[in-house]
Amino acid sequence: DIVMTQSPDSLAVSLGERATINCKSSQSVLYNSNKKNYLGWYQQKPGQPPKLLIYWASTREFGVPERFSGSGSGTDFTLTISGLQAEDVAVYYCQQYYNLPLSFGGGTKVEIK
Amino acid sequence: EVQLVQSGGGLVQPGDSLRLSCVASGFSLSNYWMSWVRQAPGKGLEWVANIKEDGSEKKYLESVKGRFTISRDNAKNSIFLHLDSLRADDTGVYYCARLGGDGSQYRSSDVWGQGTLVTVSS
Repeated sequence: DIVMTQSPDSLAVSLGERATINCKSSQSVLYNSNKKNYLGWYQQKPGQPPKLLIYWASTREFGVPERFSGSGSGTDFTLTISGLQAEDVAVYYCQQYYNLPLSFGGGTKVEIK
Repeated sequence: EVQLVQSGGGLVQPGDSLRLSCVASGFSLSNYWMSWVRQAPGKGLEWVANIKEDGSEKKYLESVKGRFTISRDNAKNSIFLHLDSLRADDTGVYYCARLGGDGSQYRSSDVWGQGTLVTVSS
C-alpha cells in the first residue's frame, strides 16, 4: 500500500502571504508510460465534502483560483497557495490514485495568522 | 447542475446493517467509475470501495471486504453501499464520489456527495 505523508500538520499564514504544503508518497506515483503523476489535492472546509483543486499533480480543476498551484514529481509534491485569502481556511489533503487502495495524506490545516 | 445527493445512514448497533444511497443528477452515472470514501470523526479521508461503469468490477478496502457491498443501478442513476456486520470503527461520514469518465478507476474524484453520517454504537 502507498502511504501518503503530509507536512506540516497545520500552519498559520498572514492574509496575502504564501502557504506551502508538502506531500510525500512511500513509492513513486509517476506512471512512466504517460509521464503523469497520479496525485491530487483536495480542500475541505468544516461540514463540507472535499473539493478537488489539483489533479495530475499540477493541473488546476476548472474554476479553481490561480493562486492554487501544484508541483512535484515521483514521490515529492507541493501545494502552494499564493496570496492566502480568508476563504482558503480549510484542511488540505493530497491523494494518490496510482494504485489501490487509493490513499490520502493525513491533512494539513491552514489558518490565518 | 452536476451533483450527487446522498441518503441513508443513521445510528445503529454493532453487528447491524445499513444501506447508503447516492443519486446523480446533471450527468449520466453510467459513464463513470464511482467511489465511496469515509471520514471518521475528526480524522482524515479513507477510500472504501470503487465500482466500474457497468458494475462488472468492484474493489474494496481490505478491512471492509466481506462486510460492505458496493452496487449501482444505472437506470436510476444511483449507486449504493450496503454495510453489514457494522463495527464501532466504521463510524464516520460516508461520501460518494465520481471518478474520471475515461474508463479508468485511477483518477481523482471531481464530484462529491454531501456526505451521510453512520454511527455505530451500543
